[in-house]
Amino acid sequence: DIQMTQSPSTLSASVGDRVTITCRASQSISSWLAWYQQKPGKAPKFLIYKASSLESGVPPRFSGSGSGTEFTLTISSLQPDDFATYYCQHYNSFPVTFGQGTKVEIK
Amino acid sequence: QGQLVESGGGVVQPGRSLRLSCAASGFIFSGYAMHWVRQAPGKGLEWVAFISYDGSNIYYADSVKGRFSISRDNSKNTLYLQMNSLRTEDTAVYYCARVYAPGNDAFDIWGLGTMVTVSS
Repeated sequence: DIQMTQSPSTLSASVGDRVTITCRASQSISSWLAWYQQKPGKAPKFLIYKASSLESGVPPRFSGSGSGTEFTLTISSLQPDDFATYYCQHYNSFPVTFGQGTKVEIK
Repeated sequence: QGQLVESGGGVVQPGRSLRLSCAASGFIFSGYAMHWVRQAPGKGLEWVAFISYDGSNIYYADSVKGRFSISRDNSKNTLYLQMNSLRTEDTAVYYCARVYAPGNDAFDIWGLGTMVTVSS
């Protein structure tokens, strides 16, 4: 199985900060990577697919990059609505797996 | 855009069974593959099962293989998860999720989730 490792696990930041979350795969997944945002008590929200393609309606301050085994999610200017937990997920093969999550909290 | 609504969760004793349903609306359900994903209290997301648009391809996580069964009724726009021999570690919120597009299996639409508690 492909393991997905996110870092950091928790990130403290202020409104307006540039934030970067890293996701590493235990083997190459090409660009078959998605990012999701989840707020407490809510379902995950789809943000990015194929590593760098922004889902329709997602603010352009979110961006994704990477291929192979190393990927990043960047929020260019953190907004109050962005404080949440973020998950990466590979869909290169079965079983699909998620990273353990990165909680972005208010500094 | 589409909507998914799960139902069927509840409290059940270890070893018993439960069937979850996921009702789809607002899109052509029969054209999309679907997944079940779960989240234990305070934990991360765990993929559970996949079914192709026509039910011809099915995959399971090792943790549920042989106990859970995914199925769909395209005439009713409904996805199912039959859960047998439930264990305490199956306690979680269960989400159904739609595959974004053929060949691009990200999960673009998620239901609100239904809680399953396995406890004696």
